[in-house]
Amino acid sequence: AQSVAQPEDQVNVAEGNPLTVKCTYSVSGNPYLFWYVQYPNRGLQFLLKYITGDNLVKGSYGFEAEFNKSQTSFHLKKPSALVSDSALYFCAVRGSSASKIIFGSGTRLSIRP
Amino acid sequence: DSGVTQTPKHLITATGQRVTLRCSPRSGDLSVYWYQQSLDQGLQFLIQYYNGEERAKGNILERFSAQQFPDLHSELNLSSLELGDSALYFCASSVEEARQREQFFGPGTRLTVL
Repeated sequence: AQSVAQPEDQVNVAEGNPLTVKCTYSVSGNPYLFWYVQYPNRGLQFLLKYITGDNLVKGSYGFEAEFNKSQTSFHLKKPSALVSDSALYFCAVRGSSASKIIFGSGTRLSIRP
Repeated sequence: DSGVTQTPKHLITATGQRVTLRCSPRSGDLSVYWYQQSLDQGLQFLIQYYNGEERAKGNILERFSAQQFPDLHSELNLSSLELGDSALYFCASSVEEARQREQFFGPGTRLTVL
């Protein structure tokens, strides 16, 4: 069975500091991994995905994520946080042979000025 | 703006009632997904359609049903509503049904059951 875990409900970072939002997963077969962001009263927006190839994936708004097969992780990172990055972030996984996508519980990112 | 539209934006109804939520995918997208987002359950996948056919089912209750029409818009029907059905319902679309494709989400319909 597929599963995805976001161990932190909330992450607090000062503006200008690097940020990391953690995600671990479990799937059968090769994983397809996604990060989405949700701003208040909005739908989810796609940030980036890992399908195959380079373990470091670059996405929208300066975000990147590192795929680590041995640790089954796909952490979201940004070198320098902005106040406007404050939002709810979801990690999602879909196995290469799976029929449905699974979303994590979400991590609320709060960037203080 | 993702290009996915959902109507209505808000819906307030009573227990036992039936409602229909509507979704229009992005132009050219053949696959439509429905999700339920609630505070206690997080984001739950309900069902997926591809070009009019059901492709995958998630945690969708028997009281709920969906369909995708020839013009590719989709409707989610919720019946015998209970207080616990109050949630945000999102529709998403993607170009194909391929598993590696990202999805584009609509703004959601907020359902309140009183």
